[in-house]
Amino acid sequence: KQEVTQIPAALSVPEGENLVLNCSFTDSAIYNLQWFRQDPGKGLTSLLLIQSSQREQTSGRLNASLDKSSGRSTLYIAASQPGDSATYLCAVNSNSGYALNFGKGTSLLVTP
Amino acid sequence: EAQVTQNPRYLITVTGKKLTVTCSQNMNHEYMSWYRQDPGLGLRQIYYSMNVEVTDKGDVPEGYKVSRKEKRNFPLILESPSPNQTSLYFCASSWVASGADTQYFGPGTRLTVL
Repeated sequence: KQEVTQIPAALSVPEGENLVLNCSFTDSAIYNLQWFRQDPGKGLTSLLLIQSSQREQTSGRLNASLDKSSGRSTLYIAASQPGDSATYLCAVNSNSGYALNFGKGTSLLVTP
Repeated sequence: EAQVTQNPRYLITVTGKKLTVTCSQNMNHEYMSWYRQDPGLGLRQIYYSMNVEVTDKGDVPEGYKVSRKEKRNFPLILESPSPNQTSLYFCASSWVASGADTQYFGPGTRLTVL
């Protein structure tokens, strides 16, 4: 069964700092990997989706990379802002099933 | 506006009283699914559907039922809720029938079973 791990579990940074969130998965047979943002009391917002054949995707200040062979993905956030404070979830869509396998998330706090 | 909606958003009920959480999407998506989110356990899939009248179990289906009579709707039914079903529930949908595409999530339903 696919296991997804996110490190660190929590992170606090001052505004303006660049930061990296890490995600690792155990089975490299994946369709894609998706990064989500979850705000307290709200649903999940899709940030970036990387297909298994891709190495990275970019959207604004966000850049996600994928190294399928080593089972790793990173989400890079440039010039962080207090509005980036949220929980970031990594989810893998494996070849073997029809579910997203989620990590437990990284809780990010960006302080002014 | 393209969206996934869920109702109700909050529900407090008692053990054994049947309830239904509705999910609807307006994007003509093939795939729909239900997840529950619990502290320390993360998000886990309950059921999914690849098309009308096609449903299958996810990782934690016990105590739940679903139906897909129309493409846009995918209700989650708890026939006899128990306290261990207290959780935050999310509905999701995507274009591709296998779910191997960007998935869009509803706002969540917070269920408390007393």
